[in-house]
Amino acid sequence: ETGVTQTPRHLVMGMTNKKSLKCEQHLGHNAMYWYKQSAKKPLELMFVYSLEERVENNSVPSRFSPECPNSSHLFLHLHTLQPEDSALYLCASSPTRVEGGELFFGEGSRLTVL
Amino acid sequence: SQKIEQNSEALNIQEGKTATLTCNYTNYSPAYLQWYRQDPGRGPVFLLLIRENEKEKRKERLKVTFDTTLKQSLFHITASQPADSATYLCASTNAGNMLTFGGGTRLMVKP
Repeated sequence: ETGVTQTPRHLVMGMTNKKSLKCEQHLGHNAMYWYKQSAKKPLELMFVYSLEERVENNSVPSRFSPECPNSSHLFLHLHTLQPEDSALYLCASSPTRVEGGELFFGEGSRLTVL
Repeated sequence: SQKIEQNSEALNIQEGKTATLTCNYTNYSPAYLQWYRQDPGRGPVFLLLIRENEKEKRKERLKVTFDTTLKQSLFHITASQPADSATYLCASTNAGNMLTFGGGTRLMVKP
């Protein structure tokens, strides 16, 4: 138990569906992150939020839309995805965005786009 | 471009031996490197952090080194056990202060 909870753990969706991934951290951290992990590729940073403000959008297509309503919750809204978007989506948190801080990851949401 | 790379081939070793994994970085000088463990279908778990002014850091059976001349970090697991089998990731911040991960090296420890 890392203190970061992601739901759902598995999601299958068609290309025309709209769905959301949810992340909740119980660690009192101020920074939250979305990473994408595809087969045989390194983790790719998608979004960073610090104190509920988006501080990084790493050239992610607009079909991925993040939302951070408070410092404990982070969402990734999905719409009109492509099959190549199938991957493990990992949420992480850290106390701050200060360089050197370790990340606490959730267990991930395995997304399959048909 | 700035890169952080790990050997993508799996490392197979016998139980009790020392496993050594390599992380190389190019075109930048990170102030620190982090190492994580990831089990199949699960999120990475932080193991160790080593700063550029530290040559070596230890935690139980784990040891990490940082060679700024070779632009390389080595991750050692001594007296390896089958339970150590997992994928190990190295990470560092790039010039944009974003934590960037290597592709990971899968370790298999055989009994």
